[in-house]
Amino acid sequence: QKEVEQNSGPLSVPEGAIASLNCTYSDRGSQSFFWYRQYSGKSPELIMFIYSNGDKEDGRFTAQLNKASQYVSLLIRDSQPSDSATYLCAVNNNAGGTSYGKLTFGQGTILTVHP
Amino acid sequence: DGGITQSPKYLFRKEGQNVTLSCEQNLNHDAMYWYRQDPGQGLRLIYYSQIVNDFQKGDIAEGYSVSREKKESFPLTVTSAQKNPTAFYLCASSINHGTYGYTFGSGTRLTVV
Repeated sequence: QKEVEQNSGPLSVPEGAIASLNCTYSDRGSQSFFWYRQYSGKSPELIMFIYSNGDKEDGRFTAQLNKASQYVSLLIRDSQPSDSATYLCAVNNNAGGTSYGKLTFGQGTILTVHP
Repeated sequence: DGGITQSPKYLFRKEGQNVTLSCEQNLNHDAMYWYRQDPGQGLRLIYYSQIVNDFQKGDIAEGYSVSREKKESFPLTVTSAQKNPTAFYLCASSINHGTYGYTFGSGTRLTVV
């Protein structure tokens, strides 16, 4: 089982729709969760982070965390063609131990928003 | 402006050659990381350093070496022992052991010729 697994893509949504990206993780000690956006040929940029169960909203983006189910998701409302990119889920076990300070990344989900 | 600078942007390596990728940050971050990205495989950790003069192997350290002589600098050497080095290499840094995520450099694309 992969440590961080994202829903297989690619995901294609029409402009204006809600894009839903999902991620599960195996380490129950994980405490910090991140979503990065990566345009083709570029480096990842942080768009959302969440530490507590529930929802966190920032503009058109909402991150959702359910630690009991070991599940984190990213919703993009009113999707735009400029949102077309690869989205990477990352998990940090910063409670100590050998994983301390290291982010583990999922394999990424390619999102395409078509006009 | 603070940030992470990786150089060169593109690098070509001949068979049997060692090459060094540069990573410099002026964010005053304690921790620095090197990741490798191959198509469809996400990011894989090569090496990381949480303080000066100390570093640890990541998941795929074989064929790579690093040094951390200064807080600002964390160069990665791809040695001839790395048999499949063609990839996109990303350097990152963080404060507080990554609690707030990483800041990435712009990456170096290495190709074997």
